[in-house]
Amino acid sequence: EIVMTQTPLSSPVTLGQPASISCKSSQSLVHSDGNTYLSWLHQRPGQPPRLLIYKISNRFSGVPDRFSGSGAGTDFTLKISRVEAEDVGIYYCMQAIEFPLFGPGTKVDIK
Amino acid sequence: QVQLQESGPGLVKPSQTLSLTCSVSGDSISSGGYYWSWIRQHPVKGLEWIGYIYYDGSTYYNPSLRGRLTISIDTSENQFSLKVPSVSAADTAVYYCASGQYWDQLLSSWGQGTLVTVSS
Repeated sequence: EIVMTQTPLSSPVTLGQPASISCKSSQSLVHSDGNTYLSWLHQRPGQPPRLLIYKISNRFSGVPDRFSGSGAGTDFTLKISRVEAEDVGIYYCMQAIEFPLFGPGTKVDIK
Repeated sequence: QVQLQESGPGLVKPSQTLSLTCSVSGDSISSGGYYWSWIRQHPVKGLEWIGYIYYDGSTYYNPSLRGRLTISIDTSENQFSLKVPSVSAADTAVYYCASGQYWDQLLSSWGQGTLVTVSS
C-alpha cells in the first residue's frame, strides 16, 4: 500500500510571507493513463476539507492564484506565495492512483 | 456545483448498524459521470476515504474496509447512503459525503459532515 508523508507537520507562518509544504509518496503516483493523481486539500477549523489543487498543479475553481502545486513522481510541493489569515488550517495531500489516500496533514497557523 | 448534506443519528450503540444518508441538490444523482463518496475523519487518525458509488450504481470500497460496509444510491430521493454494521468505538468519527464529476477532481464538493459517536 502507498504511504503518504508530509513535512512539516506543523508550520507557523508570518502573514504576507510565503509558505511551502512537502508531500512524498512511497511509490510513483503516475497512473497507467499517464496522469499523476496528486491533489491538495485545505481544511479550516470546523469546516470540511475543500479541494485546492488536482493533478499536481491545477487550481480548482475559485482557488486564489497564490496557491500553486508542483512536483512529479513521488515528490510534490504546495506553495502559498503570500499567506493570508484565511489560509490557516490543515493541508492534506491526497493520491488517487487506485483509491483516495490522504497524507497525515500539515497544520498551518500564524506566528 | 452540487450541494451535499449528511443526515443520521449522532449516537450509535456498539454492535448496532450505523446508517447515514447524503442528500444531493443542484443536480440529479443519476446524471452522468459523478462519483459519490463517503469519507470519515477520526479524532486522531485523520482522513479516511471509505468508498464511492458511481452514477451507474457501481461501487468501490477502501480495501481496508471492503466487505464491512455498503454504499447504495436512491435515485428517486436523489440521495446515497452508507451502512456500517456491527460498529465499535473505532468507528467514531465525523462522516462526510463528497462528490466529483471526474476522477482527478473526485472530492470537489463536500457536505458539512456529521459526527457519529459509538458508545453505549
